[in-house]
Amino acid sequence: EAQVTQNPRYLITVTGKKLTVTCSQNMNHEYMSWYRQDPGLGLRQIYYSMNVEVTDKGDVPEGYKVSRKEKRNFPLILESPSPNQTSLYFCASSFRAGGSYEQYFGPGTRLTVT
Amino acid sequence: EDQVTQSPEALRLQEGESSSLNCSYTVSGLRGLFWYRQDPGKGPEFLFTLYSAGEEKEKERLKATLTKKESFLHITAPKPEDSATYLCAVQAGLGTYKYIFGTGTRLKVLA
Repeated sequence: EAQVTQNPRYLITVTGKKLTVTCSQNMNHEYMSWYRQDPGLGLRQIYYSMNVEVTDKGDVPEGYKVSRKEKRNFPLILESPSPNQTSLYFCASSFRAGGSYEQYFGPGTRLTVT
Repeated sequence: EDQVTQSPEALRLQEGESSSLNCSYTVSGLRGLFWYRQDPGKGPEFLFTLYSAGEEKEKERLKATLTKKESFLHITAPKPEDSATYLCAVQAGLGTYKYIFGTGTRLKVLA
């Protein structure tokens, strides 16, 4: 089954404790992206990757890191989480369709930082 | 500044009562406008991509249209299972993969 998987689905952690949220896709998509979703603010792009070893900042990259060493994986790293990073996180992957990119989203990771 | 605004924020319809959701956008170099459906606790699900003004796409009870400033998602004779949050997004700019999402319209269809 074609899908985007994220782990963990739920995480409660404390301020300053480094964490990684994994994202993997089995559709051989070149493009991957991370978003956070907050009430009233909608989905905001954190980082994206257009290919292996190619990453770039989205609208809200502060406090986050990413890497793309393999095509299928795009982990999100929070080196020193803070309470304002409490949010619902989505990973997405896409292929190029015409002039643009249709995204397929993972199930989400709900992160709470205390 | 690139911006996407959706209205209304929330909409309640009776089953069978047709309506439209609006997505207005201000972007430089539009490469595509997307509609997604999001159910509670789940990731967004792709519905449509529109590329140029005048384009229309349909899927079951949904029809998406695009002008130079806005897009509409028309829902014809909705059913309770159409209840969800509908998200609009744009991709803009050459050589990037930047997406900008609106805050969504929460649709509730009553039986």
